[in-house]
Amino acid sequence: ETVLTQSPGTLSLSPGERATLSCRASQSVTSSYLAWYQQKPGQAPRLLIYGAFTRATGIPGRFSGSGSGTDFTLTISRLEPEDFAVYFCQQYGPSVFTFGPGTKVDFK
Amino acid sequence: EVQLVESGGAVVQPGGSLRLSCAASGFTFDDYAMNWVRQVPGKGLQWVALISWEGDGTSYADSVKGRFTISRDNSKNSVYLQMNDLRTEDTAVYYCGKDMSGGGYSSGCLDSWGQGTLVTVSS
Repeated sequence: ETVLTQSPGTLSLSPGERATLSCRASQSVTSSYLAWYQQKPGQAPRLLIYGAFTRATGIPGRFSGSGSGTDFTLTISRLEPEDFAVYFCQQYGPSVFTFGPGTKVDFK
Repeated sequence: EVQLVESGGAVVQPGGSLRLSCAASGFTFDDYAMNWVRQVPGKGLQWVALISWEGDGTSYADSVKGRFTISRDNSKNSVYLQMNDLRTEDTAVYYCGKDMSGGGYSSGCLDSWGQGTLVTVSS
């Protein structure tokens, strides 16, 4: 089973700053099957990025995904107040999903 | 608008059973694979099970294999999770999730989620 590790565990930033979140896999992941989700307290996760770099419907352009193989990155170019949340990466294959432990983006 | 509404969560004793339901609307249900994902409050996400759009293919996390069964009734636009031999470590919020792309087994991501139902396993 592919294990996903996310870093940092917590990222303390201010609105307007750039956030760079890392997701590392224990073995190579097919880029088509790498996704990112955002979760706010008391809410279900929301799909942000799929296929490593494609934004889901309705997701603002300040969110971008990159990477391949075992190293993937979610970048938020300029943090808005509503972006302070927990972010999970997820991979699929073969026939199972695994999630990373999450990165919390909070106010500095 | 896609809507997924889970129900069936409860407090149950270790060794007990529970059946969760997820009612879907706003999309052509029998075109999409469906999943269950769980989350201990304040912790991370753990995928539990997947069922193909026709219901003839299923996958499970190792931690629930042999104890949980996912099923669907396309005539009722519903997916279910039968949970047997429950353990304290099964305590979590259980979310129903829709696969992003229709057809096939899975696109590899979930584009719609319900609000979850809480299962507590405790004596």
